[in-house]
Amino acid sequence: GENVEQHPSTLSVQEGDSAVIKCTYSDSASNYFPWYKQELGKGPQLIIDIRSNVGEKKDQRIAVTLNKTAKHFSLHITETQPEDSAVYFCAASKAAGNKLTFGGGTRVLVKP
Amino acid sequence: KAGVTQTPRYLIKTRGQQVTLSCSPISGHRSVSWYQQTPGQGLQFLFEYFSETQRNKGNFPGRFSGRQFSNSRSEMNVSTLELGDSALYLCASSRAVQETQYFGPGTRLLVL
Repeated sequence: GENVEQHPSTLSVQEGDSAVIKCTYSDSASNYFPWYKQELGKGPQLIIDIRSNVGEKKDQRIAVTLNKTAKHFSLHITETQPEDSAVYFCAASKAAGNKLTFGGGTRVLVKP
Repeated sequence: KAGVTQTPRYLIKTRGQQVTLSCSPISGHRSVSWYQQTPGQGLQFLFEYFSETQRNKGNFPGRFSGRQFSNSRSEMNVSTLELGDSALYLCASSRAVQETQYFGPGTRLLVL
C-alpha cells in the first residue's frame, strides 16, 4: 500500500523566517496531496492541497510544490508567526477513494 | 456553516467493553471517513462511507465497525476494547469522493 514519509519530525524557526517540510510518497497512482495543521486538542485543519496535474500552488504565506517524477511534495511557510506553531501533516490519496495516507507529522515551533 | 461534530468528546471505558462514537458531517457532505490517531502509529485510516455504503476499509481488526445513515451521519463501534484502542478518533467529511476532507475535533477514548 501507499507509504508517506515526512521530514523533519521537528522544526524550530525564528519568527519571520521560512519553514519547509518535505514528504515523499511511494504509490505513483496517488494524485491528491493535502496538508493539515493540527493544534493541541483540535482536529487537523486543511491549510492547502494540490492535485497531480499542478506543480505548485500558493495561498498567501503558504505554498506547496509537487514533483511527480520524484514522488515528493513540500510545504513552504514564509514569514512565520508564533501562531504557525503546530503539528503539520502531509497526506496522499488515490483516485476513486477518500483514504488519506498520512506522513508522521512535523512539530513546528516558531520562536518570537 | 457548522463544521463536523463528534460526540462524545471524551470517553473512558474499561477493557472488554464496547463503545459507539458518533459523527455528524458538514451539511451537504455525503462522504464520511474515520481515522485513529495515536502517538505511536500516527494517523491511520479506519473506513470510508459514501451514501450509506462502506467504500474502503483500513487494516484494523473486525472489532472495529461502522455505518452511515441516510442523513449522512455516521457511527463507529469498537467491541471488546483493548488498552491499545486508546486513541483520538477523528471523523472527516467531504461533499464527494476525492474532494477536500474536513476533520472534526475528535473523540478521545481512554481504555483502562
